[in-house]
Order: sequence, then structure tokens, then C-alpha cells
Amino acid sequence: GAVVSQHPSRVICKSGTSVKIECRSLDFQATTMFWYRQFPKQSLMLMATSNEGSKATYEQGVEKDKFLINHASLTLSTLTVTSAHPEDSSFYICSASTAFPGGYTFGSGTRLTVV
Amino acid sequence: GEDVEQSLFLSVREGDSSVINCTYTDSSSTYLYWYKQEPGAGLQLLTYIFSNMDMKQDQRLTVLLNKKDKHLSLRIADTQTGDSAIYFCADFNTDKLIFGTGTRLQVFP
Repeated sequence: GAVVSQHPSRVICKSGTSVKIECRSLDFQATTMFWYRQFPKQSLMLMATSNEGSKATYEQGVEKDKFLINHASLTLSTLTVTSAHPEDSSFYICSASTAFPGGYTFGSGTRLTVV
Repeated sequence: GEDVEQSLFLSVREGDSSVINCTYTDSSSTYLYWYKQEPGAGLQLLTYIFSNMDMKQDQRLTVLLNKKDKHLSLRIADTQTGDSAIYFCADFNTDKLIFGTGTRLQVFP
């Protein structure tokens, strides 16, 4: 079945540095990928929709200069958290749309801790 | 905007049935989903239902949809300890998934 690989699974970085998270579709092409953020014991909040070859669409309240999304190929989308601060610490999950309707496949998530 | 609500916690005895409920506000939903999330992991799709269906059964899972009341439920028969996780319902709205608040299911012996 469709597999989405997300890397790294855990990352710790210092305040002020940038962190890149990768999301790859392993055995299918994903023209659209989604990035979510999940706070402890809370639901997933959609941050942005990533479209291959075009600019990402950000949800209201999400800073696009803070969370840079690049979807340069049909199998790779990246999320870069720029100038990270402790409040950016969270669990980030990507997903890709495969064969609708049941084909939203999720990555295993990245636990980001900013110290 | 679109809102999807779930009860936060459910505790059941092993072998009993679990029923997780979800309400949503979007009247134009086309598909509704149930996902399972284990600690520190991503989301696993359990099942989905098209909005013109009332019920869908898949092995131990039964999904009931009351479109009039905008109410969705997931029944897990013969609940096992391995079913302990957080369960999210999600509504497909136009071009994205809107997730519920999640229900933590705890199964005790």
C-alpha cells in the first residue's frame, strides 16, 4: 500500500536555528501533501497544503515565513521551521493524498523540541 | 468554520464493545473518516464512510452515520488491549481533512 516516510522522527535544536523535516511518498506520486501540527493531548491542526511545483497554501494564523514549505518533486515535500523557538516545540505530521476517497496516508511524525 | 467534536476519554473492559462518538457541523461533507493514533506515532486510517451511507462494517469495526443529526460513531467489537489509542474522526471538507478533538480509548483487563 501507499507509504509516506517522514524524517527525522525526533529532533532537538537550539533556539534560533532552523530545522528541516522531510516527507516522502515511497511508492506513489503525491501532487498534494499536507502538514499538520499536534500539541500534546490535542487534535491535529492543519498548517498548510503543499502542492507540487507551486506555492503552499497556508491556513489562517500560520506564519508562512516561519514555516517554509517546499514541494519540488512529486515524492518530496519539506517543512522548514526557521529561527525556531521553544513554543515551536510540537509533533509535526505530514500526509499525502493517494487514491481518493480513502487514501490519506500519514507519515509517522516528527517530534521537535527546541531548547 | 467547520467544527468536529468528540468526547475526550473512554474506558472499557477487554472483550466489551467500545463506541466512540463524533459530531460535526459541515452540512456538505462527502466523506468521514476514523483514524487511530498510537503514542508517538502517525495516524492509521481505520475506515471511512461516504455521506450517503448509513452504516459500514469492516470486521470488528462498525461505522454509523446519522447525516440529519451530523453524528458519526465508531463501534469496536470485542475490544482488545491493543485497541488502546487515540481515535480521531475527520471530515473531508472541500479539499482538506478537518480532525476532531480525539478520543482516548483505554482498555483494561
